Amino acid sequence: SQTIHQWPATLVQPVGSPLSLECTVEGTSNPNLYWYRQAAGRGLQLLFYSVGIGQISSEVPQNLSASRPQDRQFILSSKKLLLSDSGFYLCAWRSTVAGGYTFGSGTRLTVV
Amino acid sequence: KQEVTQIPAALSVPEGENLVLNCSFTDSAIYNLQWFRQDPGKGLTSLLLIQSSQREQTSGRLNASLDKSSGRSTLYIAASQPGDSATYLCAVRPIRETSGSRLTFGEGTQLTVNP
Repeated sequence: SQTIHQWPATLVQPVGSPLSLECTVEGTSNPNLYWYRQAAGRGLQLLFYSVGIGQISSEVPQNLSASRPQDRQFILSSKKLLLSDSGFYLCAWRSTVAGGYTFGSGTRLTVV
Repeated sequence: KQEVTQIPAALSVPEGENLVLNCSFTDSAIYNLQWFRQDPGKGLTSLLLIQSSQREQTSGRLNASLDKSSGRSTLYIAASQPGDSATYLCAVRPIRETSGSRLTFGEGTQLTVNP
């Protein structure tokens, strides 16, 4: 069966520090991968998606970047965090069979 | 541009009550619609996935219907329990394979089931 792993679960980082969040998927190959952010009291915002290794599409220009170094690995990064980067970050993959989405458990990022 | 609306925004019911959550969308050109549950501070758990050609899906006490032509979906929860307390989100996937098939989410319905 397919599983998605996301870590860390929580992170507190100072303004100006770098960021690296990792997401890996097991049990499938060549998945579409997504990074979403959910700000407090707001809906989900799509940040990046990837349809293959090295292929990244950005939905919202901002202080973040994404990379896909391996088929089932998706990384969200920042060189210098801003206070506005605080939020709940969710990784997801999409099934090519039924077309449904599966989300990871999320990372709560607080920038102080 | 697809817009998804969920009504009500919040709902509080006594345990044992049957309830209906509503989701409406503006563009009927959808591939599928998915209902999720989100507990506080947690990720999204998929509840039901309805393909555009289907009218409903059932899982245990949950039943989701889809009326694509009218742009509506409902999530029916039978015999609600305190453990059902969570935020329920619906999301639609477009037919057109652009933007990685971006999901459009509603704002969610926050459900509280009181013992």
